[in-house]
Amino acid sequence: NAGVTQTPKFQVLKTGQSMTLQCAQDMNHNSMYWYRQDPGMGLRLIYYSASEGTTDKGEVPNGYNVSRLNKREFSLRLESAAPSQTSVYFCASRLGQPNEKLFFGSGTQLSVL
Amino acid sequence: AQKITQTQPGMFVQEKEAVTLDCTYDTSDPSYGLFWYKQPSSGEMIFLIYQGSYDQQNATEGRYSLNFQKARKSANLVISASQLGDSAMYFCAMREGRANFNKFYFGSGTKLNVKP
Repeated sequence: NAGVTQTPKFQVLKTGQSMTLQCAQDMNHNSMYWYRQDPGMGLRLIYYSASEGTTDKGEVPNGYNVSRLNKREFSLRLESAAPSQTSVYFCASRLGQPNEKLFFGSGTQLSVL
Repeated sequence: AQKITQTQPGMFVQEKEAVTLDCTYDTSDPSYGLFWYKQPSSGEMIFLIYQGSYDQQNATEGRYSLNFQKARKSANLVISASQLGDSAMYFCAMREGRANFNKFYFGSGTKLNVKP
């Protein structure tokens, strides 16, 4: 049981380049999330998807787009990367019960030069 | 306004002593959940403990307990008998909203160092 899988683990981009971070979960979870983690800022919610076919903005959505491709997969796209998007990105999922925790992927370290 | 506030960027504790990590939250939703996660230097996020807004008793999980003071909107994590392996970042988080439409908010974290 792999849980939440993120790819790639590391990525270096030049300013203006685009890329997609992939996330897949095999736990039949309904809700999926994208966070970014910056020193001193904790984890900030970028986008989330409460269920297949729906997406919603979080705290810091500017510069990002998401796609809930199916129940398993939730991708995060940077259309024109900026140095301010250098961060560690975490994908998470949960089934959707009130007392249920988030299950996290191992993270993607992204550097934008 | 910050949804979750952790006012201790870093803390030190002597091995085998207890330590309290502070967390305050802000919500007008009557139904919410509070979570604590541990992030060791390896970067993974490890769930520690959960407290629901309607739970009457403070949550406990082994050496972890959550000191839930609803009127003060605080949810402090207490780690008893600290171990060297407890050195890590600790994040407080809140689940807000109804049914599946839940947003999770995280605090900025507290870096705990356990001294031998």
